[in-house]
Amino acid sequence: ETGVTQTPRHLVMGMTNKKSLKCEQHLGHNAMYWYKQSAKKPLELMFVYNFKEQTENNSVPSRFSPECPNSSHLFLHLHTLQPEDSALYLCASSQVQGGQPQHFGDGTRLSIL
Amino acid sequence: SQQGEEDPQALSIQEGENATMNCSYKTSINNLQWYRQNSGRGLVHLILIRSNEREKHSGRLRVTLDTSKKSSSLLITASRAADTASYFCATDGGSQGNLIFGKGTKLSVKP
Repeated sequence: ETGVTQTPRHLVMGMTNKKSLKCEQHLGHNAMYWYKQSAKKPLELMFVYNFKEQTENNSVPSRFSPECPNSSHLFLHLHTLQPEDSALYLCASSQVQGGQPQHFGDGTRLSIL
Repeated sequence: SQQGEEDPQALSIQEGENATMNCSYKTSINNLQWYRQNSGRGLVHLILIRSNEREKHSGRLRVTLDTSKKSSSLLITASRAADTASYFCATDGGSQGNLIFGKGTKLSVKP
């Protein structure tokens, strides 16, 4: 139990579907992150929220839309995805943004048909 | 690219042997961290070493840092089958201190 819970663990969707990934942390952290992990590539930072404010959008296509309603919850809304978006999407949290140890969830394995 | 690089990409050893993984990076840092990822799971933070430290220990883990060479190594002593996982280094050299991860070393420890 890492204190960071992601749902669903697996998701298969068509390119025209709309779905959302959910992340919840019970650690009292103030920074939350979305990463994309693809085979044979380094972990790619997508978005960062610090005290509920988005502080990083790493040139992510607009078909990915993050939402952070409070410091404990983070969502990633997906629409009109492409096959190359198939990957493991990891959520993480840390006390605050900036070089601190991060706690990761177990990810959502996303497959785009 | 600011990304770090782990070396080797894959490592296979027998239980009881030591495993050494190396990491090189390109930016100036305040700290460097090592993480482990078991298959199908998220990353788990193992150890953090600050830029003014040269060596740090945690249980069977030993981490060294050479900022002049922009490199770090992770040594796992007396390895166990349960140590089988991918290991990643991460530096805080990104914008606003965001972590930059390497591609990882896949360690296989055979019983």
